[in-house]
Amino acid sequence: EAGVAQSPRYKIIEKRQSVAFWCNPISGHATLYWYQQILGQGPKLLIQFQNNGVVDDSQLPKDRFSAERLKGVDSTLKIQPAKLEDSAVYLCASSLNPSNTGELFFGEGSRLTVL
Amino acid sequence: KNEVEQSPQNLTAQEGEFITINCSYSVGISALHWLQQHPGGGIVSLFMLSSGKKKHGRLIATINIQEKHSSLHITASHPRDSAVYICAVPPEGSQGNLIFGKGTKLSVKP
Repeated sequence: EAGVAQSPRYKIIEKRQSVAFWCNPISGHATLYWYQQILGQGPKLLIQFQNNGVVDDSQLPKDRFSAERLKGVDSTLKIQPAKLEDSAVYLCASSLNPSNTGELFFGEGSRLTVL
Repeated sequence: KNEVEQSPQNLTAQEGEFITINCSYSVGISALHWLQQHPGGGIVSLFMLSSGKKKHGRLIATINIQEKHSSLHITASHPRDSAVYICAVPPEGSQGNLIFGKGTKLSVKP
């Protein structure tokens, strides 16, 4: 079974530039999460999708971050414009059901460095 | 007070030792996740459990819902077990958002 795919694995940009990350969850997984993990800290939820609807985006900095999952399958996370503090690993995870009942599967992450 | 607390924060062991990592939480939950993160790598789900005990190879996870406590045990530890182990819980009433512990950094020396 293919795992959660993310790309790119690494990205270096200058502040004020834009960047987009892509995630393809495990086939059939209705729930998709984007997490931000800053070095030395635990993951922080940015947004949770159930199919193509947003369940929770309360911690997404909406002035610069956006995410979509138009067909309820793969998802993109965009940052525009990037700030230095956005340097982090962006993790995508998926599950058959929300994590109170479903096991989570994580991608390898996309490491962003903002200079 | 953090809602999910792990101990110890850092753990160094010799190869072959029995390892225990603890997780306590203060919120009501229906399930608890143990995750493993290698340096520079993604996160791997080890266990999701809601009661009792689960075993997978050399890894054992237990949970006591009444005491709001879970433990992750590693038997016959090996250097390849070196990683950060994270406990995470979705609070009751949430739609699946996880509260993460700060992680336990395990280093197993040969």
